[in-house]
This record gives sequence, structure tokens and C-alpha cells, in this order.
Amino acid sequence: NAGVTQTPKFRVLKTGQSMTLLCAQDMNHEYMYWYRQDPGMGLRLIHYSVGEGTTAKGEVPDGYNVSRLKKQNFLLGLESAAPSQTSVYFCASRGQGKSYEQYFGPGTRLTVT
Amino acid sequence: AQSVTQPDIHITVSEGASLELRCNYSYGATPYLFWYVQSPGQGLQLLLKYFSGDTLVQGIKGFEAEFKRSQSSFNLRKPSVHWSDAAEYFCAVAISSGSARQLTFGSGTQLTVLP
Repeated sequence: NAGVTQTPKFRVLKTGQSMTLLCAQDMNHEYMYWYRQDPGMGLRLIHYSVGEGTTAKGEVPDGYNVSRLKKQNFLLGLESAAPSQTSVYFCASRGQGKSYEQYFGPGTRLTVT
Repeated sequence: AQSVTQPDIHITVSEGASLELRCNYSYGATPYLFWYVQSPGQGLQLLLKYFSGDTLVQGIKGFEAEFKRSQSSFNLRKPSVHWSDAAEYFCAVAISSGSARQLTFGSGTQLTVLP
């Protein structure tokens, strides 16, 4: 049981380039989330999904798009990267139970130059 | 709006000393509260959670937290800190948003443990 995995672990982009971050979970969880972590700001929710084929905006969605074509995968896309998107990105998932506990991946460190 | 405040950005304690990390929340309804720990270069791991019932909850690694509704607080404690506890600690509250309960995080407290 791998839990939540994220690909890639590190990436450097130039301004204006695009990329996709992949999150995969093998726990059959309905809910998946993308966060960004910046120093002194904790984790902020970018987008989330309540099930296959659904997505919704979180606190800081601008500049990002997401897709949930398969239940186990949640993709985060940057169409035109900006230096302000330099951050550590975390994916999380949780089941439908009332514990509301989220399970986190190891993170992706993205630098935009 | 819901919010979580961790007033201490950085705390330093000696190994074997006791520890208390503060967390205050602002949320109109009954809160679901969590403490997560993040070791350097790692993801977040759940330490403990509170939903209802006994206001003193026990977690992993010898941590406990006490929910105080009157003070809107959920402080994390450990009686004797180990060097391996050095990490960043995040308090979070689960808020209801449509059909998903999102987590709102505090800004974190960095713990340094001196030998």
C-alpha cells in the first residue's frame, strides 16, 4: 500500500512554461486535494475533488487547473508558470467516513525562474 | 470566516523538557480539530484529532491535546521531548464546504530540540 504518491519530486520551470503534477492514491478515497505550502503561510487549498469527474476551487485557484478523470488520480496543471508559483505542492486524499482525516503525499518542490 | 492561529512561529526546547504548542481557532460550529507534524522534506503526518467527547485526546509519539471550547483553543502537549520531535507542527480545523470538509491550516510552529 503506497498511500498517496506524487510525481515529480522536484521540478524547475522557466516563466511561461507549462507542466502537470500527478497525484495518485491507492486507498480508494473519494476526496482529493491540492495544496501549496509557502513559508509562514501554512498550507493553502488550491483545488479539490469530491469524486471522479468532479473538481472545485479552493482558496487560491488562480493560475492552476485540475482534472480527476480516474478516481485514483488527481492532476494539477500550470498552463503558464509564474515565479509566484514557486512553492511546495502537496496532494492529499480522504475517504467518505466522518473522520475527515486527510492523508498527504510527500510533496513536489517547484521552482519557477 | 474560519481561521486557525498558531501564535508561536518558532519554539526551542531542551531534550527531556516539556512542550506545549498553542493553537486557537475561529469557527462558528462544532470544530473538528487536528494536529499534523511535518519532518524536513516530508509530507504531513496526523498526530491526533478531536471530534467530540473527551476533551483530552491522545495521539501518536506520546503527544496529547486538550480542546477548550471557552478559549477556542486546541493546544498540543508532550511531557518529555525527544530529539526526533524536531519538526514543524500544524494545527488544522475541518470546515464544511458543500459536500467536502476542507482543512484550514495554521501557519505552523517550527520546533527545535537542543541536546
